[in-house]
Amino acid sequence: GENVEQHPSTLSVQEGDSAVIKCTYSDSASNYFPWYKQELGKRPQLIIDIRSNVGEKKDQRIAVTLNKTAKHFSLHITETQPEDSAVYFCAASNSGGGADGLTFGKGTHLIIQP
Amino acid sequence: DTEVTQTPKHLVMGMTNKKSLKCEQHMGHRAMYWYKQKAKKPPELMFVYSYEKLSINESVPSRFSPECPNSSLLNLHLHALQPEDSALYLCASSQDGHQGAGELFFGEGSRLTVL
Repeated sequence: GENVEQHPSTLSVQEGDSAVIKCTYSDSASNYFPWYKQELGKRPQLIIDIRSNVGEKKDQRIAVTLNKTAKHFSLHITETQPEDSAVYFCAASNSGGGADGLTFGKGTHLIIQP
Repeated sequence: DTEVTQTPKHLVMGMTNKKSLKCEQHMGHRAMYWYKQKAKKPPELMFVYSYEKLSINESVPSRFSPECPNSSLLNLHLHALQPEDSALYLCASSQDGHQGAGELFFGEGSRLTVL
């Protein structure tokens, strides 16, 4: 089955600086890579996703890059704000063969220092 | 309606009780999921229903029994649970079970405490 590794487990950055979270996956058949943000006591919410036919996707201050050869993908948040503080999970799935759920990384606790 | 609704939000039960968690979505999604999440850990997949048929059971103990009465509803029946089963149980849905997961929409979760 798929195995997703995520680093770092905790990331502290100054407000206004950029944050980068990295993930690697093991199953070369995986082709869908979402990122979820989970605030304390709340549900995970999708913030951005990328499919394997593109290398980069951007949505305002958030971007995701994918390197299929190396089997890694990264989340980039620019101009960080206090409301960006949360746990971020990367995930991977093979969406070609039916509903198979997502395999999540262990999560990164992002702390934005004022 | 873009919500996945879970009830109850909180549940406390003894090890001999029988209870059920319920999940509902009206987005026309054909895949529904149960995930278990312990504190400071990622969600772990338990079950997947695709077009109302159980397609994945991730080696979950039989004290957890899923049921999908129709395409909008998903239940998780609980019996003879252990204290280590205490966790947040998240229901999710996605658009088309045959096309793959795509975006998962999560409910707010049912926080279960087993005494």
